[in-house]
Amino acid sequence: KAGVTQTPRYLIKTRGQQVTLSCSPISGHRSVSWYQQTPGQGLQFLFEYFSETQRNKGNFPGRFSGRQFSNSRSEMNVSTLELGDSALYLCASTLGATNEKLFFGSGTQLSVL
Amino acid sequence: DAKTTQPTSMDCAEGRAANLPCNHSTISGNEYVYWYRQIHSQGPQYIIHGLKNNETNEMASLIITEDRKSSTLILPHATLRDTAVYYCIVRAPSSIHGSSNTGKLIFGQGTTLQVKP
Repeated sequence: KAGVTQTPRYLIKTRGQQVTLSCSPISGHRSVSWYQQTPGQGLQFLFEYFSETQRNKGNFPGRFSGRQFSNSRSEMNVSTLELGDSALYLCASTLGATNEKLFFGSGTQLSVL
Repeated sequence: DAKTTQPTSMDCAEGRAANLPCNHSTISGNEYVYWYRQIHSQGPQYIIHGLKNNETNEMASLIITEDRKSSTLILPHATLRDTAVYYCIVRAPSSIHGSSNTGKLIFGQGTTLQVKP
């Protein structure tokens, strides 16, 4: 069974640009969550999608958005990139049931210059 | 904010048991204790979780004190590949219908475990 797949693995952008990251969950998983990891703030929850609906959101500005498709694949978008958006962005999937463990991808390393 | 407190770092000799402590003195009666680890440049990996009974799986054992205010993750025979950051997370149960926190984990700073030859 394939794991959580995130593309691209590495990305370099400049300030002011926008970026879209992709996440393919484990087959059959309906919940996809996104996290940002930086050396200073650690791992922080961005948002979660379940059956194409956002059902939880972390404390991030509106420049961070996401969506989920009918096949459970998810994308997150960051607009008007800032230097501080440089981070490892991780996606996790789960069935969405009670106390399910999360399965994480290897992440997308975003560098904003 | 994270509801757990862990030591910043620990060392362990290869082949010996690694015992990683976690304090969660404000844990609620229905909250579970989860452990994840993150090996460098990879996403976090689930290890084990429990409510109040001790748990064991192929990766580790979880010992939760009777008052549930602390727990210990035990890696019985640590190897060099167990070098990682270990996160202890307290999490309320969720339900499949209308739940808003199934995919949300609140990570603290974790414990960096260095397994040495």
